Amino acid sequence: AQSVTQLDSQVPVFEEAPVELRCNYSSSVSVYLFWYVQYPNQGLQLLLKYLSGSTLVKGINGFEAEFNKSQTSFHLRKPSVHISDTAEYFCAVSARNTDKLIFGTGTRLQVFP
Amino acid sequence: DTGVSQDPRHKITKRGQNVTFRCDPISEHNRLYWYRQTLGQGPEFLTYFQNEAQLEKSRLLSDRFSAERPKGSFSTLEIQRTEQGDSAMYLCASRPMTGNYGYTFGSGTRLTVV
Repeated sequence: AQSVTQLDSQVPVFEEAPVELRCNYSSSVSVYLFWYVQYPNQGLQLLLKYLSGSTLVKGINGFEAEFNKSQTSFHLRKPSVHISDTAEYFCAVSARNTDKLIFGTGTRLQVFP
Repeated sequence: DTGVSQDPRHKITKRGQNVTFRCDPISEHNRLYWYRQTLGQGPEFLTYFQNEAQLEKSRLLSDRFSAERPKGSFSTLEIQRTEQGDSAMYLCASRPMTGNYGYTFGSGTRLTVV
């Protein structure tokens, strides 16, 4: 079975500062990794995904994430955040032999002016 | 491509009543998924379809829950004899069977059981 841990339930940050949202996963098999963003009362939007290849993955809205197999991590980063980045961010994992996503509990990113 | 549509957006019901939600996936997407998200939690997998076939169901999907995708297009999720614990956001997602791996989620149906 797979599991995802997002240790930070909330991350406050000032506008234009860098941010890192942490994600660690557990799995006995190879996985795909994802980051989704959810704005209030909306569904989830895919930010980026790691399937294979380069461990540094670039996504939409200036976000990127790095897959670290030895540390079983997939942290999300942005060098300079905007007010509009305020949202809930979910890390998710999918085993390569299944077709369902296992989500973490989410990290609330709050950007202050 | 009009995205994944879910109807209704909000539903308030009394405990014990039955409710049904509808999801219209992106038209060329073979696979359709249902997730449930409670307050402060990430979405939890409920079930998924490939065309009209229901391929997997979570143990979270009790006997009171049933999902269908009769013609391989839209899907319905019915909850019978609702309980307060059923209050949640119900999310639908779809994707093509092959190719670019990544779900497209709808905006969800928020169910409140009073």
